[in-house]
Amino acid sequence: AQSVAQPEDQVNVAEGNPLTVKCTYSVSGNPYLFWYVQYPNRGLQFLLKYITGDNLVKGSYGFEAEFNKSQTSFHLKKPSALVSDSALYFCAVGSNYQLIWGAGTKLIIKP
Amino acid sequence: KAGVTQTPRYLIKTRGQQVTLSCSPISGHRSVSWYQQTPGQGLQFLFEYFSETQRNKGNFPGRFSGRQFSNSRSEMNVSTLELGDSALYLCASRLAGEGLEQYFGPGTRLTVT
Repeated sequence: AQSVAQPEDQVNVAEGNPLTVKCTYSVSGNPYLFWYVQYPNRGLQFLLKYITGDNLVKGSYGFEAEFNKSQTSFHLKKPSALVSDSALYFCAVGSNYQLIWGAGTKLIIKP
Repeated sequence: KAGVTQTPRYLIKTRGQQVTLSCSPISGHRSVSWYQQTPGQGLQFLFEYFSETQRNKGNFPGRFSGRQFSNSRSEMNVSTLELGDSALYLCASRLAGEGLEQYFGPGTRLTVT
């Protein structure tokens, strides 16, 4: 069965430190992967995606994600966190026109 | 280009009533998906419409239904509302083709009392 796991409900990071939000997946075939961010009382915003090619994908707001096929992971990273990065982050994996969503990780950046 | 719009933004209904939510996709987007978001269950896929046809469906009871019009606008209907239907309902649109990102609307906050 296809699945996506975001193993951490919440991640706390000090402002200026690097951040990582984890995502692992299980899907048959070649997946395409997404990260989205949701700010309070807002819809989800697209951050970045991986379909093929370079394993390191750069996206909006200074975020990047690394696709690791052997570990079936697609972790979201940012070198230096901002307080404004505090939000809910979702990983999604697509296959055959269907998207499977992770449960979301709440990212809290402390000043 | 205008983003995905959803109406109404907020709605309060009573148990047993029915409700219709509306979604206007980004111009040129033919695929519209609906999601239910609750604190306990996260983001749950309801259904996807493409060119007026339901292409995929999530695991929701038949009380949840939808349709898409020729201009790609979509509506979602929930009949016989239950307290557990209280949620944020999100609509997302994208261009045709696989592997393309979805663009979300702000959502409709439904409260069932």
